[in-house]
Amino acid sequence: AQKITQTQPGMFVQEKEAVTLDCTYDTSDPSYGLFWYKQPSSGEMIFLIYQGSYDQQNATEGRYSLNFQKARKSANLVISASQLGDSAMYFCAMRGQLGATGNQFYFGTGTSLTVIP
Amino acid sequence: DAGITQSPRHKVTETGTPVTLRCHQTENHRYMYWYRQDPGHGLRLIHYSYGVKDTDKGEVSDGYSVSRSKTEDFLLTLESATSSQTSVYFCAMESGQGENQPQHFGDGTRLSIL
Repeated sequence: AQKITQTQPGMFVQEKEAVTLDCTYDTSDPSYGLFWYKQPSSGEMIFLIYQGSYDQQNATEGRYSLNFQKARKSANLVISASQLGDSAMYFCAMRGQLGATGNQFYFGTGTSLTVIP
Repeated sequence: DAGITQSPRHKVTETGTPVTLRCHQTENHRYMYWYRQDPGHGLRLIHYSYGVKDTDKGEVSDGYSVSRSKTEDFLLTLESATSSQTSVYFCAMESGQGENQPQHFGDGTRLSIL
């Protein structure tokens, strides 16, 4: 069974500091993808970053990076130089092996990040 | 995401009434999904579609049905709404053209069933 676990319901970080949001996963698929989404208070879901299970290097997108440790089945999101606009809910998601009839994403329960001025 | 829209954005209705939510995409993407978001549960898949008239159940499909008669439209119907179906509903689309392709979401529909 596929499962995503986010154990931090809420996190606080000082503006300009870095913060790590934890995500662990469980899957038996040999190939899978890991995604992070941001949901601000306005409610939309914004795609941030992707990591493939066979990628040798950790993914980076601007101030976002993904600390991927395959053996530990973890895919933590690192946000560097936090800004007030980073305050939001963050969801980790996993997709199993690409299939013809669908590509179900499995979502964690989310982490609420608050950036303190 | 500008390529996918949901309607209505907000709806209040009474228990026992049928409700239909619409998702419309302009990207010609093959895959479309309906999720519900509830506190403490993240997003849970209700139904999904992998082509016109091709749909399948997700994790929480009881009480819901879907239809996809055109590539661009994916409808979610609550056959007889119950208070437990009060939630925020998200539609998503995906091209399916690579493992690195994310799902792109609509802005959500806030549904309250009294």
